Amino acid sequence: GAVVSQHPSRVICKSGTSVKIECRSLDFQATTMFWYRQFPKQSLMLMATSNEGSKATYEQGVEKDKFLINHASLTLSTLTVTSAHPEDSSFYICSALVRDGNEKLFFGSGTQLSVL
Amino acid sequence: AQTVTQSQPEMSVQEAETVTLSCTYDTSESDYYLFWYKQPPSRQMILVIRQEAYKQQNATENRFSVNFQKAAKSFSLKISDSQLGDAAMYFCAYFPNSKLTFGKGITLSVRP
Repeated sequence: GAVVSQHPSRVICKSGTSVKIECRSLDFQATTMFWYRQFPKQSLMLMATSNEGSKATYEQGVEKDKFLINHASLTLSTLTVTSAHPEDSSFYICSALVRDGNEKLFFGSGTQLSVL
Repeated sequence: AQTVTQSQPEMSVQEAETVTLSCTYDTSESDYYLFWYKQPPSRQMILVIRQEAYKQQNATENRFSVNFQKAAKSFSLKISDSQLGDAAMYFCAYFPNSKLTFGKGITLSVRP
């Protein structure tokens, strides 16, 4: 299947700092990427849909100024958690949509964010 | 609203036996995709199987098969000859070509 690379896999930061998470499609072009958040033993919650060259679409209740998404190329989307607080600690996962007539979504390996 | 329901939070199966994980969904769309994803302790999401709503034939991938009942909006996953490596959390997901909606997931344990 298609490969989606997500970095870093784990990050620890101080409260008030910003953290950037990268999501890259390695062997295909992804016009659409999705960002999810997952709490322990729970399902994935969609945060936003990232489209190359346009503004991201955020789900209800997700603060767009706190979770900045940039999709500047067909292979890279970034999520920046600004002014992080302990309640932002979570597992963040990206996924990329493959549109080739057999639509599939492939996921990055996730990023565990811990805010102290 | 489009929802995906996985009513069983946990299931257990004996190694080499067969287990079925249930999933129902609600939609007014006629064309969409359904997926089952596996999430092992590593938390990497792995695509198990995919079904296109317009296809009546049930999808099959080796030991994994689905029972897709479009009218009933049901999409269950059957795992045959269960292996220890099948132990994981399994998510049913619905994709109407816009965004992927997940069920709450089910934790499957495999007894040796």
